[in-house]
Amino acid sequence: SQQGEEDPQALSIQEGENATMNCSYKTSINNLQWYRQNSGRGLVHLILIRSNEREKHSGRLRVTLDTSKKSSSLLITASRAADTASYFCATALTGGFKTIFGAGTRLFVKA
Amino acid sequence: SAVISQKPSKDICQRGTSLTIQCQVDSQVTMMFWYRQQPGQSLTLIATANQGSEATYESGFVIDKFPISRPNLTFSTLTVSNMSPEDSSIYLCSARTSGRGDEQFFGPGTRLTVL
Repeated sequence: SQQGEEDPQALSIQEGENATMNCSYKTSINNLQWYRQNSGRGLVHLILIRSNEREKHSGRLRVTLDTSKKSSSLLITASRAADTASYFCATALTGGFKTIFGAGTRLFVKA
Repeated sequence: SAVISQKPSKDICQRGTSLTIQCQVDSQVTMMFWYRQQPGQSLTLIATANQGSEATYESGFVIDKFPISRPNLTFSTLTVSNMSPEDSSIYLCSARTSGRGDEQFFGPGTRLTVL
């Protein structure tokens, strides 16, 4: 079963705007990863944040993690049409080896 | 990071037949996994492929339907047996280089259509 819930399910913004996606999960985790998937293609790994970290940056991406609230957010700044894709959070559960995916957010960036 | 390739990239199969998907990683990895992504949905973990022993299946998935092999640290296969149209999905191989805290990478997926 899926561990994470993401919101919004879909997001439509104008190019240049920021996009924020949220992920909530249910159990303790070792880390949380964000992925991007363009339509019908494989997953691209974006960023990994460990359970003892609160914030990470990579280029235009900013990820936060709040383990007390069991939630994470992905911020894409100055969005581009090429950012149009589905974004998934995935949690690596404490004490195990498997990674469980959230439902995903579909982002559409209008040029 | 690990580069993962899958074969075939896509296939169209008849009901009742079986398809074996191959996954090759360009370096030795500790963990390998198989996921399914049904149309418009997120990824669901099918099983963890264990090297030299039987795979560990998630609830709702059984070995008779999805037999998995992992003969070494860089290769695994997933067979979708006795297929029905409900098996039409993208099947993705995934690997983690080591440990619980490391990044997990994915292959490009195999798009399966069952008629």
